[in-house]
Formats: sequence, C-alpha cells, structure tokens
Amino acid sequence: NAGVTQTPKFQVLKTGQSMTLQCAQDMNHEYMSWYRQDPGMGLRLIHYSVGAGITDQGEVPNGYNVSRSTTEDFPLRLLSAAPSQTSVYFCASSYSPTNTGELFFGEGSRLTVL
Amino acid sequence: AQSVTQLGSHVSVSEGALVLLRCNYSSSVPPYLFWYVQYPNQGLQLLLKYTSAATLVKGINGFEAEFKKSETSFHLTKPSAHMSDAAEYFCAVSAGYSGGGADGLTFGKGTHLIIQP
Repeated sequence: NAGVTQTPKFQVLKTGQSMTLQCAQDMNHEYMSWYRQDPGMGLRLIHYSVGAGITDQGEVPNGYNVSRSTTEDFPLRLLSAAPSQTSVYFCASSYSPTNTGELFFGEGSRLTVL
Repeated sequence: AQSVTQLGSHVSVSEGALVLLRCNYSSSVPPYLFWYVQYPNQGLQLLLKYTSAATLVKGINGFEAEFKKSETSFHLTKPSAHMSDAAEYFCAVSAGYSGGGADGLTFGKGTHLIIQP
C-alpha cells in the first residue's frame, strides 16, 4: 500500500548545487505532477506528465527539469539551486489525465537552499 | 483560466461548533471543485469533490460542501468541530481538460483551521 513515495524527506543544499527529488507511484497512474508549497501561497504546479515520455510545464517551471521514462517514476531535478527554491515539494499522481479525479500526494520533500 | 479565493487564512472555532470554510472560484467552463486537507508534516488528502452530479457533496470525516453556481462558491462545512479537525484546508478548481498546465488544477492559498477546547 505504498501509494506515492518521495525521497528524500529533507535536504539542505548550498546555492549552485544540483539535486534530484525522486517520486515513485505504484498505482499505475498515467498523470503525475510536482507542486511546491510556500507559506501563504498555497500549492503551485511546477511540471506535470500525462504519460511516459510526455512532460509539460506548469505555473512555475523555471529552474526545474523533469523526465518520465516509466509510468512509475517522475523525478524532479534542480539544476542550480537558489535560495528562492527553499520550499516543500509534493509529488502527486492521478488516474485521471483530465484533472477530474483525485490527486494522490506523497508526504513531501522539505528543501532548504543556503 | 481559473482561480480560487479562500476567505480567511486562519479560522478558529470552538470544539463542537459549526465549521465554515469559504471558497469562491472563477472558471470559464463548468468547473470540477475539490477540498483537500493537510495534517502537519503530511501530504494532502481528498476530503470531497464536486463533478456536477449533485450540488451538495458529502465527504469524509463528516464534512460536506455545497456548489452554488450563482454565487460561484463551494464552501466547506461540518456541523460539529472535533479537535482532530485541526489542519490546513485547500480548495481547488479544475477545468477538467487534458493536461495540468497553468489551467489544470488550481489551488487556493489554504485556510488553517484552529479548534479551541
């Protein structure tokens, strides 16, 4: 009963470093997405994917890359970390590619950029 | 494009009192509407969703919400608050078409519900 699994849960980076946040789901969902959550801002969509090999940008994509080589995995890459990327990151998946169904969320990855 | 406005970043109620969390939306097409709850240090979980089948939607943990097209509202209510209801609540709207994009699922900024004993 894993659902959506995110690693790591916590990470501290220095400005300019790169890293990858991992996301895996075992529900065979075609739709996967990454959000960032900042105080008073709600959740903002970074990137999403409607299936393996297909990705697209969300509201705040700058500074992030994604790929979707399998249905299960959707990693988020920070190319050159900046303090403005300090946030809590959530991966979410859905059986619905048309945003009419439930999003299943991971527990989040808390990133601090110094 | 769609948007969501949640009135009140913090709402405080006494245990046993009515809970009312307000959500207004804008959408150029008939919307799909959702309420999610987030407990401390956890991800979001779905409370309920509106998909045009019925205007009054019942969710988990005794919560319900009513879709009012004329008021573009989808307020969340619970008759009697429990201490365990203390959490962050997010309203979200979707236009329901393929792809997330900036117009996929849009979340409000959240309302922190505080339950006083």
